[in-house]
Amino acid sequence: DQQVKQNSPSLSVQEGRISILNCDYTNSMFDYFLWYKKYPAEGPTFLISISSIKDKNEDGRFTVFLNKSAKHLSLHIVPSQPGDSAVYFCAASAIRFGNEKLTFGTGTRLTIIP
Amino acid sequence: DAGVTQSPTHLIKTRGQQVTLRCSPISGHKSVSWYQQVLGQGPQFIFQYYEKEERGRGNFPDRFSARQFPNYSSELNVNALLLGDSALYLCASSLAIGDNSYEQYFGPGTRLTVT
Repeated sequence: DQQVKQNSPSLSVQEGRISILNCDYTNSMFDYFLWYKKYPAEGPTFLISISSIKDKNEDGRFTVFLNKSAKHLSLHIVPSQPGDSAVYFCAASAIRFGNEKLTFGTGTRLTIIP
Repeated sequence: DAGVTQSPTHLIKTRGQQVTLRCSPISGHKSVSWYQQVLGQGPQFIFQYYEKEERGRGNFPDRFSARQFPNYSSELNVNALLLGDSALYLCASSLAIGDNSYEQYFGPGTRLTVT
């Protein structure tokens, strides 16, 4: 049972344009969401997070939007740069239930075209 | 400031053998979690430890065990290795449970190959 889904295995975007990565979840107990970036042969790198009490969080070029009614979140990267090429994972946890374990999606491979 | 460190980087074992993987968290972090990532999948939760106590366990068999030491470092042990245990094993650390900061920071992982 895939509780966190990233339905796009890959995405290609021109350098300088906006990259939008999507994530859907099914478990209504999830209340904290995170995005990670992963390069080959490295561990995931934390990018940005959002609590369910917010609908938007911004950090530099990265913005995460949360739509609780649709159980959907998205990561926007503006402007996209070649170094952003990596696999992006969405993850969720149920903090208010004392459960910090992260449930991950299967990832989206982002390729930035120079 | 050093990030999460893991050792060894790579490991090759034979079916039926036992393996121990090690992790040192970021200084000041008291919680350590272990994840398994197989090719094409996201990381899967194995264990979480906080202050040497197990705080969570994922859907893995009893062949998997872990512990946390007083200095907050951790070991993951896997007994009776199977071919399906071949994966990247990731360790993540976080500040503390209930500290209003829930980001987990990952190490580079240990690549385990079982032949």
